[in-house]
Amino acid sequence: EIVLTQSPATLSLSPGERATLSCRASQSVSSYLAWYQQKPGQAPRLLIYDASNRATGIPARFSGSGSGTDFTLTISSLEPEDFAVYYCQQRFNWPPYTFGQGTKLEIK
Amino acid sequence: EVQLVESGGGLVQPGGSLRLSCAVSGFTFSHFAMSWVRQAPGKGLEWVSSISGSGGGTSYADSMKGRFTISRDNSKNTLYLQMNSLRAGDTAVYYCAKGTGAITGFFDYWGQGTLVTVSS
Repeated sequence: EIVLTQSPATLSLSPGERATLSCRASQSVSSYLAWYQQKPGQAPRLLIYDASNRATGIPARFSGSGSGTDFTLTISSLEPEDFAVYYCQQRFNWPPYTFGQGTKLEIK
Repeated sequence: EVQLVESGGGLVQPGGSLRLSCAVSGFTFSHFAMSWVRQAPGKGLEWVSSISGSGGGTSYADSMKGRFTISRDNSKNTLYLQMNSLRAGDTAVYYCAKGTGAITGFFDYWGQGTLVTVSS
């Protein structure tokens, strides 16, 4: 099973700042990695798939990069609605599909 | 507009059974794999099970094998999860999610979730 480790666990930033979230895989997942955003009481929302492709309707301030074992989600300039929990997920080696433990992005 | 609506959650005693349903609309159901993903209270996301678009292929997380059964009725645009021998650790919000492909893929649309509570 591929283990995904996200860092940091919590990231405290202010609106307008740049956010950089990390996801590291225990073995290569090629580019088969996605990022999801989840707000309290809501279902997750797909942001990025195949490491760097924005999903439908996702603003350009969200970008993804990386391949192999190291991946990054960048939010170029934080909007108030971006404060949420973010998860990475791999589909390279399944079953099982695995998720990271999440990074909570909170307002500083 | 793509919509996924789960139902069937509730309170069940340990050892009991429950059947979840997910009614979908807004896309050609049989063309896409579907999955169940759960989230225990205050915890992260955990993949439960997936089924191919045709229904011919299924997969399960190890802790659910032999207890949970995923199925679909493409004529009714509905996904199911039969859960047997439920344990306290199965308490979670269960989401159905649409895959981006017929066999596999990421999860591009999600339902609102249905809460399953296993307790005596």
